[in-house]
Amino acid sequence: AQTVTQSQPEMSVQEAETVTLSCTYDTSESDYYLFWYKQPPSRQMILVIRQEAYKQQNATENRFSVNFQKAAKSFSLKISDSQLGDAAMYFCAYSGAGSYQLTFGKGTKLSVIP
Amino acid sequence: NAGVMQNPRHLVRRRGQEARLRCSPMKGHSHVYWYRQLPEEGLKFMVYLQKENIIDESGMPKERFSAEFPKEGPSILRIQQVVRGDSAAYFCASSPPSDREDGYTFGSGTRLTVV
Repeated sequence: AQTVTQSQPEMSVQEAETVTLSCTYDTSESDYYLFWYKQPPSRQMILVIRQEAYKQQNATENRFSVNFQKAAKSFSLKISDSQLGDAAMYFCAYSGAGSYQLTFGKGTKLSVIP
Repeated sequence: NAGVMQNPRHLVRRRGQEARLRCSPMKGHSHVYWYRQLPEEGLKFMVYLQKENIIDESGMPKERFSAEFPKEGPSILRIQQVVRGDSAAYFCASSPPSDREDGYTFGSGTRLTVV
């Protein structure tokens, strides 16, 4: 069974600085997808970025980028120029290529300090 | 184009009562997924439905929980005889058949509190 581990329950960052959230996963599959979701206090789950395992290039989405290390099974999220609106829970998630299920980590609570 | 709509947003039930949670998928989405989020935990898969079909209910507790997605109307997650341990946020997500890899579109969840 796949597992997703987020080892940082809480992180904080100064506004305008950069922060990296860690995620590791365990799988025996060779093709899969990885996601970062943001959950603000409103509880809405918002897709931040996704990565396809067969693509070596790291995904980027404006201020959000990932460092995908397939051999190490690591998938960290970097947030640049942090803004107050980035404060939220961040969940890393995994989905096998032939699967519809998402497996989530326990989340990292990010605080942004003005 | 409205997103995934869940209602109610908050639901309080006494132990032993029934809880009915509703989910209307995005327009054009025919696949619905229910997830449960316990306090301090990530979301856990419960069930995957298509119109009038349960495709995978491997994450559903064996008793008291059921789900449906009728031909007309929203998907319903039903919890009978609720217990305190059912208190959680329940999320619905939807996707079109060909776009699962992009990740689903989630609703804002229903927070169930059992008193």
